Amino acid sequence: QVTLKESGPTLVEPTQTLTLTCSFSGFSLSTSGVGVGWIRQSPGKALEWLALIYWDDDKRYSPSLKSRLTITKDTSKNQVVLIMTNMDPVDTATYYCARLLTGFDYWGQGTLVTVSS
Amino acid sequence: DIQMTQSPSSLSASVGDRVTITCQASQDVSKYLNWYQQKPGKAPKLLIYDASNLDTGVPSRFSGSGSGTHFTFTVSSLQPDDIATYYCQQYDDLYTFGQGTKVEIK
Repeated sequence: QVTLKESGPTLVEPTQTLTLTCSFSGFSLSTSGVGVGWIRQSPGKALEWLALIYWDDDKRYSPSLKSRLTITKDTSKNQVVLIMTNMDPVDTATYYCARLLTGFDYWGQGTLVTVSS
Repeated sequence: DIQMTQSPSSLSASVGDRVTITCQASQDVSKYLNWYQQKPGKAPKLLIYDASNLDTGVPSRFSGSGSGTHFTFTVSSLQPDDIATYYCQQYDDLYTFGQGTKVEIK
């Protein structure tokens, strides 16, 4: 059974750095073809892809946010970490992690991050 | 960057109706197009991958077609449980979601 769960702060102050952790089970991020991505959704808005890390440690970032994002994995812990710097109120959103295989086929429940002073 | 444009942005239909959503890519994405369903307060669910393949356990009333820049998502007979927002997503070059289509029951 594949599960993913996001964890991290619910409230971040402007200019701070956000660190989110995706803890997963039921699959291995060392299996060829597998990736884990981060997608966010601002309240009432569409989904926005942020970053993805593949089984071979290849990494991809949204061009518009690339300078602010870092994605890493710890295969032994079954975790993927997303770091987003210089947070702004417009970054208030629900942040999801999801497994990539044929598509984003398994998702976490999401975690709401509010950026406010 | 590849842009994905869905239409309509919302629709209202009756139970049993055939519903069609289109997704236009700003450049050729071949068959690298997925469709997701998102119910309020829930994470998205993958319905269709590679433009026309139903994910495991997805009812057969859902279907997808298209290639290149023009794609179609169809619900052959709308059910009350299908009330949701539907998103297309390309993965030919990185990953981009459409703006979503909200489906309501008339």
